Order: sequence, then structure tokens, then C-alpha cells
Amino acid sequence: QKEVEQNSGPLSVPEGAIASLNCTYSDRVSQSFFWYRQYSGKSPELIMSIYSNGDKEDGRFTAQLNKASQYVSLLIRDSQPSDSATYLCATSDYKLSFGAGTTVTVRA
Amino acid sequence: NAGVTQTPKFQVLKTGQSMTLQCAQDMNHNSMYWYRQDPGMGLRLIYYSASEGTTDKGEVPNGYNVSRLNKREFSLRLESAAPSQTSVYFCASSEPEGSPKIYNEQFFGPGTRLTVL
Repeated sequence: QKEVEQNSGPLSVPEGAIASLNCTYSDRVSQSFFWYRQYSGKSPELIMSIYSNGDKEDGRFTAQLNKASQYVSLLIRDSQPSDSATYLCATSDYKLSFGAGTTVTVRA
Repeated sequence: NAGVTQTPKFQVLKTGQSMTLQCAQDMNHNSMYWYRQDPGMGLRLIYYSASEGTTDKGEVPNGYNVSRLNKREFSLRLESAAPSQTSVYFCASSEPEGSPKIYNEQFFGPGTRLTVL
């Protein structure tokens, strides 16, 4: 059984700060890694995908992957109230395995 | 381009009743998935279909059946609903034709909120 663990929340950050989300996974054969954002009552929305070690930046979001440490993270720079949501980490070697999610609240 | 659509959006059943949740995608994806989401437990895979005509069990298949009707449609059936099946159900699809399977970027429908009394 694959396990994907996310840092426990909720995480509260002031507007304009950096939100840091962490995720570890147990399955070494995972090849693809994703971050989904889920607003309350809505479906998960893919915001980042990363496949190789290192950093990947997309706007205010940066994903970091370290396969040797089985660790993937998401940084949200200049956090906005609209970033308040639950963030789900997922890994895949074909089927996705999800973490339980970390709820982020950005305080105005 | 509607993406992934699901019907119904809400449903209330009595224990023992049956129902089918419908899902369709218009992105020409090969793979489709059914998940359930319960508070504090993330998303758990019920069944998936890697291609038209094939289906496989996921993490929590008991009490469910699926049908991949064609490339676009993937339905989930509850034959005899139980209160433990109260959950939010999401359908997802991935793998555009010609895309390597490892990428597996999945796109989700809006969900069905099911309550079993």
C-alpha cells in the first residue's frame, strides 16, 4: 500500500507571506508528482506537476522534488486570500495515490 | 469543451436502494477513474479503466461495480447502498491519445454528493 503523508494543518499565513507545504511518499517507483488545490465544496484542480528532481516554478507556485529523500514540496509565494484552500499531494506510477491534504488559510 | 461531467450532483438514498453515477469526458482521454472522498481521508480510488473495454479494482472496490460504456463514458453503480457509502464521489480522466502513461495528469469532474440513510 502506497503512503503519501502531508504535513498536518491547518496552516495559517498572513497575506503576502510564503506558504510551505510538504509531502513524503513511501513508493520508490513513483515517477510523477502532483499538487492539486481543492476549494471547499469543489473538485480538485491540478496546479503543479513535476517529474524530475529539482525545482519547477509556475507563477507564484514552486514545486520541489527530491526522489532520493522521497520528498516533494510546494511553495506559494506572496500568498493571497484566494489561495485559501486544501492542497493535495499525489504521486503516480500509473494510478494516483493522494495524501489527506493540508488546509491553508491566508489571513488578510 | 465541458471537460469531465458528472450526474447527478446530489443524491439521497435509503439503505438497500441502488443507483448509477454517470461520468463523461470530452477530452479524448484513454483512462478514467472513480474516487470517493471522505473527511480526513483524502481521495481513495474505487475503480479505474485504462482503456475502453477494460476495468480494474482500486483501493476500495467493495460494494461497487463499473462499466466503461465507450471511450467517453464511465459509470459507477451501487447495487445495494449502505450508510458507509455516504461520501463525495469524483470521476477523473487522464492520458490524452499518444501521451506517455507516466504523466497521468488527471482532471476531475464536479463530484456527486451521496447520502445513504
